[in-house]
Amino acid sequence: KAGVTQTPRYLIKTRGQQVTLSCSPISGHRSVSWYQQTPGQGLQFLFEYFSETQRNKGNFPGRFSGRQFSNSRSEMNVSTLELGDSALYLCASSLMSVVSYNSPLHFGNGTRLTVT
Amino acid sequence: GQSLEQPSEVTAVEGAIVQINCTYQTSGFYGLSWYQQHDGGAPTFLSYNALDGLEETGRFSSFLSRSDSYGYLLLQELQMKDSASYFCAVKDSNYQLIWGAGTKLIIKP
Repeated sequence: KAGVTQTPRYLIKTRGQQVTLSCSPISGHRSVSWYQQTPGQGLQFLFEYFSETQRNKGNFPGRFSGRQFSNSRSEMNVSTLELGDSALYLCASSLMSVVSYNSPLHFGNGTRLTVT
Repeated sequence: GQSLEQPSEVTAVEGAIVQINCTYQTSGFYGLSWYQQHDGGAPTFLSYNALDGLEETGRFSSFLSRSDSYGYLLLQELQMKDSASYFCAVKDSNYQLIWGAGTKLIIKP
């Protein structure tokens, strides 16, 4: 069974630009969560999508948005990039929604975004 | 605010036993999870505790005491491949996972 796939692996953008990251979950998984990871810090929750609906949202500004398609693939968009947005963005899929269940998260290798 | 405290770094010898502690302060508690992340890799699920006590999975065990807001991950018969960062995470009253900053485990031969 293929794991969680995130594209691209690396991205370099300029401050003020926008970026779209993609995540393909494990086949059969309907929940996709997004996390931001910065050096020396734990993962910060961005949002979770389940069956094309946003189920939960973390404490990030509105510049961070996402969506999920009918095939469970998800995209995350960051507009008006700031230097502080440089981080590893991880996507995780699970069988059921994290809101309702305690299904283990299966993570992709992440997209490393550098904003200059 | 909400926080999970874990040591930033732990060093142990190959073949030994090591314990990584996690103390949490969150609004609500719906379980404590542990994840392993190798450098440059994806976090992988290790264990989950919802109730007090010890859960054992092979060489790894995880313990939870809800009254003390405390848990730990125990790794036995350490192998060089266990060198990684270990994260604890708690699901809070907003049904979100709150993560610790991670513990870097260094294993010496």
